[in-house]
Amino acid sequence: TQLLEQSPQFLSIQEGENLTVYCNSSSVFSSLQWYRQEPGEGPVLLVTVVTGGEVKKLKRLTFQFGDARKDSSLHITAAQPGDTGLYLCAGASGNTPLVFGKGTRLSVIA
Amino acid sequence: DTAVSQTPKYLVTQMGNDKSIKCEQNLGHDTMYWYKQDSKKFLKIMFSYNNKELIINETVPNRFSPKSPDKAHLNLHINSLELGDSAVYFCASSLATGLTYEQYFGPGTRLTVT
Repeated sequence: TQLLEQSPQFLSIQEGENLTVYCNSSSVFSSLQWYRQEPGEGPVLLVTVVTGGEVKKLKRLTFQFGDARKDSSLHITAAQPGDTGLYLCAGASGNTPLVFGKGTRLSVIA
Repeated sequence: DTAVSQTPKYLVTQMGNDKSIKCEQNLGHDTMYWYKQDSKKFLKIMFSYNNKELIINETVPNRFSPKSPDKAHLNLHINSLELGDSAVYFCASSLATGLTYEQYFGPGTRLTVT
Protein backbone atom coordinates (compact mmCIF):
# COMPACT_ATOMS: atom_id res chain seq x y z
CA THR A 1 0.00 0.00 0.00
CA GLN A 2 1.36 3.37 -0.99
CA LEU A 3 1.41 5.92 1.80
CA LEU A 4 2.17 9.62 1.85
CA GLU A 5 3.30 11.08 5.17
CA GLN A 6 2.91 14.81 5.63
CA SER A 7 4.71 16.85 8.23
CA PRO A 8 4.17 18.77 10.31
CA GLN A 9 0.58 17.87 10.99
CA PHE A 10 -0.15 21.33 12.42
CA LEU A 11 1.69 24.61 11.97
CA SER A 12 0.87 27.98 13.46
CA ILE A 13 3.02 30.93 12.47
CA GLN A 14 3.01 34.71 12.44
CA GLU A 15 2.33 36.71 9.30
CA GLY A 16 5.55 37.36 7.39
CA GLU A 17 7.35 34.17 8.45
CA ASN A 18 8.58 31.52 6.05
CA LEU A 19 7.66 27.86 6.32
CA THR A 20 8.18 24.51 4.68
CA VAL A 21 5.90 21.49 4.76
CA TYR A 22 6.89 18.04 3.64
CA CYS A 23 5.33 15.09 1.88
CA ASN A 24 7.27 11.82 2.05
CA SER A 25 6.84 8.28 0.83
CA SER A 26 8.81 5.10 0.33
CA SER A 27 7.02 4.65 -3.02
CA VAL A 28 7.80 6.24 -6.36
CA PHE A 29 5.09 8.35 -7.95
CA SER A 30 4.69 9.35 -11.58
CA SER A 31 3.41 12.73 -10.44
CA LEU A 32 2.59 14.53 -7.25
CA GLN A 33 -0.04 17.17 -6.64
CA TRP A 34 -0.58 19.76 -3.94
CA TYR A 35 -4.02 20.96 -2.93
CA ARG A 36 -5.26 23.59 -0.48
CA GLN A 37 -8.53 23.12 1.31
CA GLU A 38 -10.31 25.91 3.18
CA PRO A 39 -13.00 25.25 5.82
CA GLY A 40 -16.31 24.22 4.32
CA GLU A 41 -14.90 23.84 0.81
CA GLY A 42 -13.39 21.17 -1.38
CA PRO A 43 -9.63 20.88 -2.01
CA VAL A 44 -8.33 23.10 -4.80
CA LEU A 45 -5.42 22.02 -6.96
CA LEU A 46 -2.35 24.26 -6.59
CA VAL A 47 0.26 22.48 -8.67
CA THR A 48 1.34 19.19 -10.25
CA VAL A 49 4.99 18.15 -10.41
CA VAL A 50 6.02 15.38 -12.74
CA THR A 51 9.80 15.31 -13.21
CA GLY A 52 12.27 14.33 -10.48
CA GLY A 53 13.96 17.47 -9.13
CA GLU A 54 11.33 19.73 -10.66
CA VAL A 55 10.69 23.09 -8.99
CA LYS A 56 7.54 25.10 -9.62
CA LYS A 57 6.65 28.52 -8.28
CA LEU A 58 3.23 29.96 -7.69
CA LYS A 59 3.68 33.51 -6.38
CA ARG A 60 5.09 33.05 -2.85
CA LEU A 61 4.72 29.25 -2.96
CA THR A 62 7.58 27.05 -4.16
CA PHE A 63 7.01 23.36 -4.81
CA GLN A 64 9.76 20.81 -5.29
CA PHE A 65 9.59 17.17 -6.38
CA GLY A 66 12.37 14.98 -5.01
CA ASP A 67 14.96 13.60 -7.41
CA ALA A 68 13.73 10.05 -6.80
CA ARG A 69 10.07 11.11 -7.12
CA LYS A 70 9.29 9.82 -3.63
CA ASP A 71 8.90 13.10 -1.80
CA SER A 72 7.96 16.73 -2.21
CA SER A 73 8.10 19.98 -0.30
CA LEU A 74 6.11 23.17 -0.27
CA HIS A 75 7.82 26.36 0.84
CA ILE A 76 5.85 29.53 1.56
CA THR A 77 7.68 32.85 1.74
CA ALA A 78 6.30 35.70 3.86
CA ALA A 79 3.15 33.85 4.83
CA GLN A 80 -0.12 35.78 4.90
CA PRO A 81 -3.41 35.05 6.70
CA GLY A 82 -4.90 34.15 3.33
CA ASP A 83 -2.51 31.16 3.19
CA THR A 84 -4.35 29.58 6.11
CA GLY A 85 -5.81 26.18 5.23
CA LEU A 86 -5.22 22.46 4.98
CA TYR A 87 -2.46 21.55 2.54
CA LEU A 88 -2.77 18.10 1.01
CA CYS A 89 -0.31 16.27 -1.18
CA ALA A 90 -1.46 13.47 -3.46
CA GLY A 91 0.54 10.99 -5.50
CA ALA A 92 -0.39 9.37 -8.80
CA SER A 93 1.11 6.08 -9.97
CA GLY A 94 -0.05 4.19 -13.04
CA ASN A 95 -3.71 3.24 -12.88
CA THR A 96 -3.90 3.07 -9.09
CA PRO A 97 -6.15 5.55 -7.27
CA LEU A 98 -4.68 8.88 -6.28
CA VAL A 99 -3.17 8.57 -2.78
CA PHE A 100 -3.64 11.51 -0.44
CA GLY A 101 -1.57 12.42 2.58
CA LYS A 102 -3.33 13.39 5.81
CA GLY A 103 -2.49 17.02 5.35
CA THR A 104 -0.77 19.89 7.11
CA ARG A 105 -3.08 22.34 8.79
CA LEU A 106 -1.54 25.81 8.52
CA SER A 107 -2.67 28.79 10.52
CA VAL A 108 -1.14 32.20 9.76
CA ILE A 109 -1.81 34.75 12.46
CA ALA A 110 -1.95 38.46 11.59
CA ASP B 1 -20.01 28.88 -13.67
CA THR B 2 -19.68 26.08 -11.12
CA ALA B 3 -17.31 23.37 -12.33
CA VAL B 4 -18.29 20.54 -9.96
CA SER B 5 -21.49 20.91 -7.99
CA GLN B 6 -23.03 18.74 -5.30
CA THR B 7 -26.40 18.71 -3.61
CA PRO B 8 -27.26 18.93 -0.84
CA LYS B 9 -24.54 20.84 1.01
CA TYR B 10 -25.77 19.56 4.38
CA LEU B 11 -27.67 16.38 5.12
CA VAL B 12 -28.90 15.46 8.59
CA THR B 13 -30.74 12.19 8.94
CA GLN B 14 -31.44 9.35 11.33
CA MET B 15 -29.87 5.93 11.47
CA GLY B 16 -31.50 3.42 9.18
CA ASN B 17 -32.64 5.95 6.58
CA ASP B 18 -31.69 5.89 2.90
CA LYS B 19 -30.29 9.06 1.30
CA SER B 20 -28.74 10.23 -1.96
CA ILE B 21 -26.16 12.85 -2.87
CA LYS B 22 -26.03 14.24 -6.40
CA CYS B 23 -22.99 15.44 -8.32
CA GLU B 24 -22.62 17.15 -11.67
CA GLN B 25 -19.55 18.43 -13.52
CA ASN B 26 -19.50 20.76 -16.52
CA LEU B 27 -15.78 20.44 -17.25
CA GLY B 28 -16.15 17.77 -19.94
CA HIS B 29 -14.09 15.36 -17.84
CA ASP B 30 -14.39 11.63 -18.45
CA THR B 31 -13.73 10.39 -14.92
CA MET B 32 -15.65 11.12 -11.73
CA TYR B 33 -15.01 10.11 -8.12
CA TRP B 34 -16.50 9.97 -4.67
CA TYR B 35 -14.28 10.63 -1.67
CA LYS B 36 -14.99 10.47 2.03
CA GLN B 37 -13.26 12.88 4.43
CA ASP B 38 -13.44 11.91 8.06
CA SER B 39 -13.30 14.13 11.14
CA LYS B 40 -9.49 14.05 11.05
CA LYS B 41 -9.57 15.41 7.50
CA PHE B 42 -8.25 12.20 5.94
CA LEU B 43 -9.46 12.05 2.32
CA LYS B 44 -10.11 8.53 1.04
CA ILE B 45 -11.35 7.49 -2.36
CA MET B 46 -14.52 5.41 -2.45
CA PHE B 47 -15.43 5.03 -6.13
CA SER B 48 -14.26 6.07 -9.55
CA TYR B 49 -16.25 6.05 -12.78
CA ASN B 50 -14.83 6.46 -16.26
CA ASN B 51 -17.36 7.18 -19.02
CA LYS B 52 -20.20 5.79 -16.87
CA GLU B 53 -18.27 2.63 -16.06
CA LEU B 54 -17.12 1.71 -12.55
CA ILE B 55 -13.32 1.38 -12.52
CA ILE B 56 -12.44 1.72 -8.84
CA ASN B 57 -14.40 0.38 -5.93
CA GLU B 58 -12.38 0.62 -2.76
CA THR B 59 -13.35 -1.28 0.37
CA VAL B 60 -16.70 0.37 0.95
CA PRO B 61 -19.79 -1.27 2.49
CA ASN B 62 -22.26 -2.37 -0.17
CA ARG B 63 -24.78 -0.01 1.45
CA PHE B 64 -23.06 2.61 -0.71
CA SER B 65 -24.05 2.44 -4.36
CA PRO B 66 -22.84 4.92 -6.97
CA LYS B 67 -24.82 5.55 -10.12
CA SER B 68 -23.67 7.36 -13.25
CA PRO B 69 -26.51 8.15 -15.68
CA ASP B 70 -24.07 9.94 -17.99
CA LYS B 71 -20.46 11.03 -17.82
CA ALA B 72 -21.36 14.43 -16.36
CA HIS B 73 -23.20 12.99 -13.36
CA LEU B 74 -22.26 10.65 -10.55
CA ASN B 75 -24.71 10.17 -7.72
CA LEU B 76 -24.17 8.36 -4.44
CA HIS B 77 -26.95 6.44 -2.75
CA ILE B 78 -26.54 5.21 0.81
CA ASN B 79 -28.85 2.62 2.35
CA SER B 80 -29.45 1.94 6.04
CA LEU B 81 -27.34 4.83 7.25
CA GLU B 82 -25.13 4.25 10.28
CA LEU B 83 -23.53 6.65 12.77
CA GLY B 84 -20.11 5.91 11.29
CA ASP B 85 -21.23 7.21 7.91
CA SER B 86 -21.11 10.75 9.29
CA ALA B 87 -18.44 12.57 7.30
CA VAL B 88 -17.99 15.03 4.47
CA TYR B 89 -18.41 13.45 1.04
CA PHE B 90 -16.69 15.03 -1.94
CA CYS B 91 -17.36 14.47 -5.58
CA ALA B 92 -14.49 15.12 -7.97
CA SER B 93 -13.72 14.84 -11.65
CA SER B 94 -10.60 14.56 -13.78
CA LEU B 95 -9.29 13.79 -17.22
CA ALA B 96 -7.70 10.37 -17.42
CA THR B 97 -5.25 11.37 -20.15
CA GLY B 98 -1.67 12.06 -19.07
CA LEU B 99 -2.07 9.87 -15.99
CA THR B 100 -1.78 12.80 -13.56
CA TYR B 101 -5.48 12.56 -12.64
CA GLU B 102 -5.66 16.14 -11.38
CA GLN B 103 -8.80 16.34 -9.31
CA TYR B 104 -11.43 19.05 -9.42
CA PHE B 105 -13.51 18.81 -6.27
CA GLY B 106 -17.04 19.84 -5.50
CA PRO B 107 -17.85 21.83 -2.34
CA GLY B 108 -18.69 18.72 -0.32
CA THR B 109 -21.78 17.34 1.40
CA ARG B 110 -21.63 17.20 5.17
CA LEU B 111 -23.62 14.13 6.23
CA THR B 112 -24.63 13.83 9.87
CA VAL B 113 -26.32 10.64 11.02
CA THR B 114 -28.06 10.83 14.39
